[in-house]
Amino acid sequence: DAKTTQPPSMDCAEGRAANLPCNHSTISGNEYVYWYRQIHSQGPQYIIHGLKNNETNEMASLIITEDRKSSTLILPHATLRDTAVYYCIVRVYGGGGSNYKLTFGKGTLLTVNP
Amino acid sequence: SQTIHQWPATLVQPVGSPLSLECTVEGTSNPNLYWYRQAAGRGLQLLFYSVGIGQISSEVPQNLSASRPQDRQFILSSKKLLLSDSGFYLCACRLAGLDTQYFGPGTRLTVL
Repeated sequence: DAKTTQPPSMDCAEGRAANLPCNHSTISGNEYVYWYRQIHSQGPQYIIHGLKNNETNEMASLIITEDRKSSTLILPHATLRDTAVYYCIVRVYGGGGSNYKLTFGKGTLLTVNP
Repeated sequence: SQTIHQWPATLVQPVGSPLSLECTVEGTSNPNLYWYRQAAGRGLQLLFYSVGIGQISSEVPQNLSASRPQDRQFILSSKKLLLSDSGFYLCACRLAGLDTQYFGPGTRLTVL
């Protein structure tokens, strides 16, 4: 799986948009970008994933650059409950058995301030 | 949608004691199930995965074992705990045909 680089921490004001960047310059053509988050002392939570088109769901938007070397996760109206470590992962879609295992890096600690 | 239950939520055990952690899944059938461990300040380590009843694959040699006695039940066990077994144990579920993994709330194990 391609390596990703994320800032160790970010702050955001409550109610504002949180834009979390991720660099994945070695991404290959069949690798997807996934985002998970982990609130303190809880299990990780899937947020969104995409290949090359921008994606949006009820939690967030994912913007992938045209060259696919970087992406941005956008939480449009951050709340205090969005304070968590956000993980950007690049991996091949599918496969079997342990090919589905997730490997998290250090992620970005997003702190939403009142 | 699927719901993943894990218990207990926290556990403190002495070195050398046995361990049994349970994971159950609701709202789906034939899921792929995973046991991960997350040590303090570190990333996820895949311990075991299962594609069906009685089918267990181990990712790393260790002091732990896993079993899947029913389609939606996954158990992590140890006969004798080590200090290094301390950590946050997470059960995850992947639905057939999908790539996303959904995690349970985790069990925090402290071995003293």
